[in-house]
Amino acid sequence: HVQLQESGPGLVQPSETLSLTCTVSGGSIKNYYWNWIRQSPGKGLEWIGHVSDSGSTTYSPSVESRVTISVDTSNNQFSLRVTSLTAADTAVYFCARGGIVEGDKRFDFWGQGTLVTVSS
Amino acid sequence: DIQMTQSPSTLSASVEDGVTITCRASQNVGNSLAWYQQKPGKAPRLLIYKASGLETGVPSRFSGSGSGTEFTLTISTLQPDDFATYYCQQYSLYSSFGGGTKVE
Repeated sequence: HVQLQESGPGLVQPSETLSLTCTVSGGSIKNYYWNWIRQSPGKGLEWIGHVSDSGSTTYSPSVESRVTISVDTSNNQFSLRVTSLTAADTAVYFCARGGIVEGDKRFDFWGQGTLVTVSS
Repeated sequence: DIQMTQSPSTLSASVEDGVTITCRASQNVGNSLAWYQQKPGKAPRLLIYKASGLETGVPSRFSGSGSGTEFTLTISTLQPDDFATYYCQQYSLYSSFGGGTKVE
C-alpha cells in the first residue's frame, strides 16, 4: 500500500525560501509523476508542478519562476523549493502520485498535507 | 492555462437524494478529467478518472460522464458519508482544478 508523507517547517519568514520533502513508502518511485499541490486556507486546490523519476519537471505557469521540484530516487523522496515567500504562499501543501500514461495521469495517492504559514 | 469551472459552488441536499455536479473546461481536454472528494482537514480522495472510470474501492453510486469541455459527477443516492467538497481536475495540459462544490 503506497503512502506519502510530507515533511518540512510549519513557519517560514516572508522573503525566505520554503523547502518541503515528500517520502514515498510501500511502492517504487519509478514510472510515475510526483506532484505538489497546495490549498490556501478555505480555498481550492492549486497544482504547483511535478517531477518524473528521471528528474524531468513541469511547473504551473503561475508559480514557475519561484519553484523547483527535484527527485531523489535512492531515498524514494521528492522535494519542493519555493523562493521569495509572501503571505499568499500560506497553505496546506500536499504531495501526490500521478500517472504517467498519456490520458491517464490521475492522482491516486496523496500525503496527508502539511500546513506552511508565512509570517514574521 | 486551462480554466476549470464547477457549478454549483454549494449544493444543499438530503440523504438519498440524487446529486449532479457540473464541470466545464475552457478548452478541450478530451477525457483527461478526474473527480475528487475532500473532507475537512483531509487530503482529496480520487473517485473518478478518465472522465468515467470508477477508482477501485469507490462505491458504485458515484459515476462520471462527459468529454471535451463538459463533464458531470453524479451521486445516485446520497449517503451520510458523502457530505463533502468535490473537485474536478484536468490533466490534459499541465493540471488544474475546479473551484470545488460543497455538498451540504
